[in-house]
Amino acid sequence: KAGVTQTPRYLIKTRGQQVTLSCSPISGHRSVSWYQQTPGQGLQFLFEYFSETQRNKGNFPGRFSGRQFSNSRSEMNVSTLELGDSALYLCASSYGLAGGGGTDTQYFGPGTRLTVL
Amino acid sequence: DAKTTQPPSMDCAEGRAANLPCNHSTISGNEYVYWYRQIHSQGPQYIIHGLKNNETNEMASLIITEDRKSSTLILPHATLRDTAVYYCIVRVGPGKLIFGQGTELSVKP
Repeated sequence: KAGVTQTPRYLIKTRGQQVTLSCSPISGHRSVSWYQQTPGQGLQFLFEYFSETQRNKGNFPGRFSGRQFSNSRSEMNVSTLELGDSALYLCASSYGLAGGGGTDTQYFGPGTRLTVL
Repeated sequence: DAKTTQPPSMDCAEGRAANLPCNHSTISGNEYVYWYRQIHSQGPQYIIHGLKNNETNEMASLIITEDRKSSTLILPHATLRDTAVYYCIVRVGPGKLIFGQGTELSVKP
């Protein structure tokens, strides 16, 4: 099976702009989660989508949003970019099993490196 | 907040076993322990997971103590390519992993 793919791999934006990142999950996976990784804060959970609905959300401002399409592909959007949004954005996919999902392993994509100038 | 505690760094000689410890004293009965690793600026790579029994796969072994308050990831014959940051995570539900700071493992020739 093909792995999780993310596009674009690298992106440079300026403050105040907005950006959209894309994630294609592993075939058959219905859950897509997004994470932000910065040197100072490490890996932080942004949100998770399952069957086109946001099921879980981390502690990020409303400038960070996402959506999921019927084919399970997901996009995340960051509006009004700030310098501190420079980070590696990772998505991960899984089957999204219900009931706690203790064995629902997430597989990560390579990430999108966003630089805000 | 992360529910796990790991040493910030460890060294290991190439060809020797690497034993990476993790404390998760507040783990609940139905929470799984997951291990991932991240090689510089790449996406985290899944290694192994377990609930209460020891687990082994082609990459590593996971030893979980009987009280489930700690675990050890074992890479039986470390190579230079195993140099990475290793994350121990207690899975609290679907779709959401809470990462700590991890252990930076350096495998030296």
